[in-house]
Amino acid sequence: GAGVSQSPRYKVAKRGQDVALRCDPISGHVSLFWYQQALGQGPEFLTYFQNEAQLDKSGLPSDRFFAERPEGSVSTLKIQRTQQEDSAVYLCASSRQKRRDTGELFFGEGSRLTVL
Amino acid sequence: QKEVEQNSGPLSVPEGAIASLNCTYSDRGSQSFFWYRQYSGKSPELIMFIYSNGDKEDGRFTAQLNKASQYVSLLIRDSQPSDSATYLCAVPPSGGSNYKLTFGKGTLLTVNP
Repeated sequence: GAGVSQSPRYKVAKRGQDVALRCDPISGHVSLFWYQQALGQGPEFLTYFQNEAQLDKSGLPSDRFFAERPEGSVSTLKIQRTQQEDSAVYLCASSRQKRRDTGELFFGEGSRLTVL
Repeated sequence: QKEVEQNSGPLSVPEGAIASLNCTYSDRGSQSFFWYRQYSGKSPELIMFIYSNGDKEDGRFTAQLNKASQYVSLLIRDSQPSDSATYLCAVPPSGGSNYKLTFGKGTLLTVNP
């Protein structure tokens, strides 16, 4: 596709529900990132994939957060038993490069999660 | 925890003026520095990056880097109302995990017509 596509754009969940957020990166981009952006803050790193391999998940806040990219293209971020503090915009980004020089990220529009 | 600090603003400048946005970082080993622009409700987009000390110019934008002072800035000349956005400074850490960016909180810029 022309850009990084994320869905859903908006999600309202009741506390305790599970949610799944989808990211379709730019075709051919090797690297895929998930970031979390709280209101009034900059994006914070969650996890990084190179192709289908999850090379870094150090930013995931808890074991309720899980991400996968099984075929090296589309990625899903899953949050189990959502809590109010999970409310944020979840940004997916992709990059054509591998590990080095991946500062040029192409971000999707984000999925805004609100947990009631 | 490596940090990237920015004044949150808002920074308000009149149309046609120079807007100066500043960023300091704590990781002395960082080698590259990125400026992203984020319009309200939209995703960040890369507008400038700089690796070397000194200035880098691209159109109305100039990035300035001083590694000794751990300071990077973004100048926007002839500011336009369409430049009104939040500007995010981003720095990858030194060492093996240089693929992940640490973002500042961003500076909200308002350009008044």
